[in-house]
Amino acid sequence: DTGVSQDPRHKITKRGQNVTFRCDPISEHNRLYWYRQTLGQGPEFLTYFQNEAQLEKSRLLSDRFSAERPKGSFSTLEIQRTEQGDSAMYLCASSGGNEQYFGPGTRLTVT
Amino acid sequence: GQQVMQIPQYQHVQEGEDFTTYCNSSTTLSNIQWYKQRPGGHPVFLIQLVKSGEVKKQKRLTFQFGEAKKNSSLHITATQTTDVGTYFCAGRGSGYSTLTFGKGTMLLVSP
Repeated sequence: DTGVSQDPRHKITKRGQNVTFRCDPISEHNRLYWYRQTLGQGPEFLTYFQNEAQLEKSRLLSDRFSAERPKGSFSTLEIQRTEQGDSAMYLCASSGGNEQYFGPGTRLTVT
Repeated sequence: GQQVMQIPQYQHVQEGEDFTTYCNSSTTLSNIQWYKQRPGGHPVFLIQLVKSGEVKKQKRLTFQFGEAKKNSSLHITATQTTDVGTYFCAGRGSGYSTLTFGKGTMLLVSP
C-alpha cells in the first residue's frame, strides 16, 4: 500500500501523559499536514510542512503540541500533558499537488 | 479568521432522489475542494474548483463555484446507497497554503 500511513491507529492515555503519533506520507509528496477531527466536525488544521520546514501553525494550537518532520519524510506530532479535551481523531495528509491524501488517522482517548 | 459553513448538516433521502449540499465562505476563496468521508473512514478528495462560475461534473455529481468565489455546491443526481457519507467542502483563501474545512453534510440513503 503506497498511501499515507499513521501509527498507532488507536491510543488510550491518562490525563497528564505525553503521546506521540507518527505519519508516513506518500513518498514523493513534499507537503504534509496535520489535522484534528472530532465527531460531527470537519478536519481542523493544526500545522503544515513543506519538506522539513514547518511553514504554518494554527493560532489555536496550544504550546503543548509540537510537530517535526526531520528529514522531510515522516512526521511526528507530540502532545504533552494531555487533557481530556485532546480526545479526537488526529489525521495526517500529504500532497504533491492540489489534492490532499489523508491517512486513516490516530484516535486518541484521554481518560 | 476564515470560516466555511455548510448546509444542511444532515440529509436522509430515498435511493433515486437528488441531493444538494451548499457551502459558504466568509471570505473570497482562491479555490475550493470537496471531499467525501465514508462512515469510519478518512476524507477522500473529490474535486477542486478554481475559476469563478466554474461547473464540473463527475458522473452523477455536479460541482459549482459561485461567481463571487465565496460559495459552492455539490449536487448528486439519483442517489445510490454507495453515496452514503459526509461531504466536506474546504476553502483556500488567497495567499494561503492551507484549507479550512466546513462541518460537512452527512448523507444517508435508504434503499
